[in-house]
Amino acid sequence: IAGITQAPTSQILAAGRRMTLRCTQDMRHNAMYWYRQDLGLGLRLIHYSNTAGTTGKGEVPDGYSVSRANTDDFPLTLASAVPSQTSVYFCASSVGTTGANVLTFGAGSRLTVL
Amino acid sequence: GQNIDQPTEMTATEGAIVQINCTYQTSGFNGLFWYQQHAGEAPTFLSYNVLDGLEEKGRFSSFLSRSKGYSYLLLKELQMKDSASYLCAVPDSNYQLIWGAGTKLIIKP
Repeated sequence: IAGITQAPTSQILAAGRRMTLRCTQDMRHNAMYWYRQDLGLGLRLIHYSNTAGTTGKGEVPDGYSVSRANTDDFPLTLASAVPSQTSVYFCASSVGTTGANVLTFGAGSRLTVL
Repeated sequence: GQNIDQPTEMTATEGAIVQINCTYQTSGFNGLFWYQQHAGEAPTFLSYNVLDGLEEKGRFSSFLSRSKGYSYLLLKELQMKDSASYLCAVPDSNYQLIWGAGTKLIIKP
């Protein structure tokens, strides 16, 4: 089934630990995005990649890093997790090379940092 | 600055019509998106408006007024499965989406 796969689905993590959230798409979409969603707040963009090999910072990039070595994969790394990074993380992609296009979302990764 | 406002929660009755409003402030305008998100699931695309007026797509319609910075999503013949959050989003000056906090729609029998 074509779409976006995120892993893990859910994770509990000790503060200070390193964590990588994986995201893979098989639609050959050009752009990919990482959002976090917190109760009462809209989706907030963490990092994005308009095309393979390029990345950019979104609204809330601090404490996160990304890479885009190829078209399909866009992992998000928390170098040293803190409790404020407890959230639901969504990976998304679009055919167009900017966020001003229809986004397809993965199922999300629920992360709890203790 | 850029800002999007939506009501936090609305309640409607099965079979009725509901209108979910969205007001926005942006430095430029590159369209407005509506997404649906069921609890515990990912957002899914509903509609995109870039010109003024009403766009109809089955039971769902979306309206845009660029001069007023205003949009609404109109849901007709409500069904229980329409219980979800409805998210309004507009691109910022960097062509990345700014999202409203979403409107939780509760449908009662």
